[in-house]
Amino acid sequence: SQTIHQWPATLVQPVGSPLSLECTVEGTSNPNLYWYRQAAGRGLQLLFYSVGIGQISSEVPQNLSASRPQDRQFILSSKKLLLSDSGFYLCAWSFSGPNGGLNTEAFFGQGTRLTVV
Amino acid sequence: DAKTTQPTSMDCAEGRAANLPCNHSTISGNEYVYWYRQIHSQGPQYIIHGLKNNETNEMASLIITEDRKSSTLILPHATLRDTAVYYCIVRVVWGYSTLTFGKGTMLLVSP
Repeated sequence: SQTIHQWPATLVQPVGSPLSLECTVEGTSNPNLYWYRQAAGRGLQLLFYSVGIGQISSEVPQNLSASRPQDRQFILSSKKLLLSDSGFYLCAWSFSGPNGGLNTEAFFGQGTRLTVV
Repeated sequence: DAKTTQPTSMDCAEGRAANLPCNHSTISGNEYVYWYRQIHSQGPQYIIHGLKNNETNEMASLIITEDRKSSTLILPHATLRDTAVYYCIVRVVWGYSTLTFGKGTMLLVSP
């Protein structure tokens, strides 16, 4: 069976510090990978998605970046955190659909609650 | 992807059926209706999806109107653990279409 691991569960970082959140998937190959953010009282916002190693698509311009150095590893980074980067960050994966599309149900990790102080 | 409209919140008594509505009047023929839920401080969980026929699985039933402009997620016997935000999402199955989450419906199941 497939599993997704996301860490850490909680993180408190000062403004201006770097960020690195890691997500790994086990039990499947060539998954589609996603990073979402949920700010307090708001819905989930897709930040990045990846359909393969080194292939990153950004949905919104922001202070964050994503990388996929290995097939089942997805990393969310920032060089300098802002207060507005606080939120609940979720990694997700889905099977690659026909033609590699992002078109099957997604499975989410347990999330990282980031507080920038 | 078509936009969806859901009530902000709903209440349900434990043991009763919870019926969560969703309007998607601009849905197109190649778009599916997906339902996810998010229990507080956890990642979203896939529940069910359908195209035009009603669907049922171990978690819920999905009723889609004949014109496909609205749907209802049914939790037949709600429990306290079903308290969560429920998201109705419409998306194409073919091609590069990601999940777009709205604000969903906050379902509160009470004893």
